[in-house]
Order: sequence, then structure tokens, then C-alpha cells
Amino acid sequence: GAGVSQSPRYKVTKRGQDVTLRCDPISSHATLYWYQQALGQGPEFLTYFNYEAQPDKSGLPSDRFSAERPEGSISTLTIQRTEQRDSAMYRCASSLDRQGTETQYFGPGTRLLVL
Amino acid sequence: SQQGEEDPQALSIQEGENATMNCSYKTSINNLQWYRQNSGRGLVHLILIRSNEREKHSGRLRVTLDTSKKSSSLLITASRAADTASYFCATDDYGGSQGNLIFGKGTKLSVKP
Repeated sequence: GAGVSQSPRYKVTKRGQDVTLRCDPISSHATLYWYQQALGQGPEFLTYFNYEAQPDKSGLPSDRFSAERPEGSISTLTIQRTEQRDSAMYRCASSLDRQGTETQYFGPGTRLLVL
Repeated sequence: SQQGEEDPQALSIQEGENATMNCSYKTSINNLQWYRQNSGRGLVHLILIRSNEREKHSGRLRVTLDTSKKSSSLLITASRAADTASYFCATDDYGGSQGNLIFGKGTKLSVKP
């Protein structure tokens, strides 16, 4: 596609429910990133993929968070047993190269609200 | 179009020296952020400065903001080889509905040991 897309754009859920967020990166982009952004703060790194490999998931705040990119293109971020503190904007970005030194293109984000 | 533009595009210094990077932007902002991007990693948030602030410090980092000139600077003091990375400023999409962060092209900083 023309840019990175994410869905849904907004998600309201109740505490304890699972949510899955989707990122569709720019086609042919090797690297995909997930960020969590709290209100008024900068994005914070969660994890990234080189194609389907996930070299670094050190930023995932707990084991309730997981991400997949099984075919090296679309990625999902799943949050199990959501908590109110999970409310944030979740941003996805992709970049062309494997080294992650090129510009990252961000999607519009998914704003998650956990009630 | 890009909101922020960093200057210079590349900077090479010796360890221990200070590094200054500048950022200019075009429209009104709520805040401006600086990010670092190391090879193989995502963007690392460094510092956020709000439009009503003029200067902010975090460790060896000093950021200034001049909203009248629509510019910001990032100073890294006593640089280290580990500071080698690309540095981006990012501004919020003031007035936009989604709050997308808009990044410049970045400054590639090389700190030689």
C-alpha cells in the first residue's frame, strides 16, 4: 500500500478483555516496529521484526503483550487481560532495510482505551 | 511534507566533544521531541519539550526550544562512542485529529573513540 496502516483506529474495551491490534506495513519493508505512546509522551519502543523474525522484544511491558508477524508482512499486537494502564496510543512503523537505520514510517496509530 | 528538519545531516566528532543538532519546523506545535535511532533498534525517545518551555535537561542532553523561530536544538555533552546514532526531532501535528508525530530526516552522529 501507499503507507503504513493500522486498525482499528480506536478501540474501547473493558478491563480483562483481550485486544488485537493490526499493522499493515509498507509492502516490501523488511522491518516493522511497534511503539506504545502514552498521552503527552513520546512513543516507547515495544518490539520489532525483521520479516518474521523478532530479534528484540525487550520493550514489551509484561507477558500479557505479544506480537506476531508470521508471514513477514502484516503484524498483530495482542494484549491479553487488558488493564487500565494499557490505555495508550499504539504506533506501528516500518522501514525498508533490515538494519533499521533507514527512516521509519509510522502508521496513524490505534488509540486504545481500557475502561 | 516533513515538519521538522534537522541540521546538520551528518556530524562527526571525537569522543568527549559536544555535539549540537538543530531542528526547525514549520507550523505551531504543542511539543517537540527528540529521538535517537541506533542501528537495528527502533526510535528511542530522548526528551520532550513543551511549547511553553524554553530549555530542558536530561543527563548529558540539553534541549532548547525557540517557538518564535520555530527551532530547537539538542546538545549532547561529553559525547561517547555509544552516542553514535541518528537523531530525530519530531513534532506533533498541531490541530490534527490523530496526533501523529512528524519526524525530520535526522542527523547522523558519529562519535569516534
